[in-house]
Amino acid sequence: DTAVSQTPKYLVTQMGNDKSIKCEQNLGHDTMYWYKQDSKKFLKIMFSYNNKELIINETVPNRFSPKSPDKAHLNLHINSLELGDSAVYFCASSQGSVSYEQYFGPGTRLTVT
Amino acid sequence: AQTVTQSQPEMSVQEAETVTLSCTYDTSESDYYLFWYKQPPSRQMILVIRQEAYKQQNATENRFSVNFQKAAKSFSLKISDSQLGDAAMYFCALSGGYQKVTFGIGTKLQVIP
Repeated sequence: DTAVSQTPKYLVTQMGNDKSIKCEQNLGHDTMYWYKQDSKKFLKIMFSYNNKELIINETVPNRFSPKSPDKAHLNLHINSLELGDSAVYFCASSQGSVSYEQYFGPGTRLTVT
Repeated sequence: AQTVTQSQPEMSVQEAETVTLSCTYDTSESDYYLFWYKQPPSRQMILVIRQEAYKQQNATENRFSVNFQKAAKSFSLKISDSQLGDAAMYFCALSGGYQKVTFGIGTKLQVIP
């Protein structure tokens, strides 16, 4: 059973389009995250949700909007895609406290052309 | 603000030898946790080892161990008896404050047969 799943794994789209990435975890965790990993492998947190409440909202363009319908899901919607949005996006979950490890999804490679 | 610095972009080690990856960090939190994650070419992020800052004893997981120097804010990872499967990007991460996780830029480890 997959602990943290993301769909799709690959996404190729044109500039200006709107796209969504879905994330689901079956670990019973109450905290979920979105990370962006750029071409140099730098991993940067974008958002964090705890019990469907937004906790961390790093400096991310307003075109990125996370949505958490329930504790097990955290989706990422991106409007008006730009070339610079091309990256691998990782979803992760944890037990909620900073002391616990994060479980990562397989990543979604987004390519904007 | 918390920072994590990995000063070695790339490292290489002969199979069966030992290698140490460096990580330094800075945080104003008194309670924090440190992690090493591994990202093989498959892209999946996997926890390697975890250290609680309040514990003086260095964490160990099979061939992986850390040298945690709290006063120096240093958290290095030692891999003993290196195997081909250890080849990956290794990320040092600091978790402190309310669900705030910061990753280093990563060290690419090459294992030479």
